[in-house]
Amino acid sequence: GAGVSQSPSNKVTEKGKDVELRCDPISGHTALYWYRQSLGQGLEFLIYFQGNSAPDKSGLPSDRFSAERTGGSVSTLTIQRTQQEDSAVYLCASSLATSGRYEQYFGPGTRLTVT
Amino acid sequence: RKEVEQDPGPFNVPEGATVAFNCTYSNSASQSFFWYRQDCRKEPKLLMSVYSSGNEDGRFTAQLNRASQYISLLIRDSKLSDSATYLCVVSNTGKLIFGQGTTLQVKP
Repeated sequence: GAGVSQSPSNKVTEKGKDVELRCDPISGHTALYWYRQSLGQGLEFLIYFQGNSAPDKSGLPSDRFSAERTGGSVSTLTIQRTQQEDSAVYLCASSLATSGRYEQYFGPGTRLTVT
Repeated sequence: RKEVEQDPGPFNVPEGATVAFNCTYSNSASQSFFWYRQDCRKEPKLLMSVYSSGNEDGRFTAQLNRASQYISLLIRDSKLSDSATYLCVVSNTGKLIFGQGTTLQVKP
């Protein structure tokens, strides 16, 4: 079956612009996670959704970052007024439920470059 | 101090070698433990879950010591295709906390 898909695969934007990153989870997966991976920082958690609710937003770096999920499916991560330090690969993952017992399947990521 | 610590390596080993990776975690409330594999410029993929009793999957053996908050991965009979970054991962509320990864390069 189809895996997690993300779009765009690459995004180059100018400092100060807003960007929207999209994630399409595996059908039937109720839990959706956003992570980012930057050089020297490793993979870090940003936010997760159970259905359309976001019980844990603790990883969002600043109020310039927001995310939503609609219909228990697609999620968008929005970064306002992008800064150079936002450059990273943004990864989305989904799982059947939020219990750590369930495997998280990752999408291919969106590589964001802020110039 | 990072929540999950790993030796970044790189580990350079010949084909057929046995190699061991270790990691430690700081949150004693962590409930689930995993090893993920990440190839260059690709997304992470689950290699195996780690259980207190230890578990084996082919050439791969994982161990967990909750008292010492220590996780290990042993790879026997290394193959060229094992070259990758191995990520130690813990979870206590579903979200994954990743170590920095250990790079393995298997040479012919």
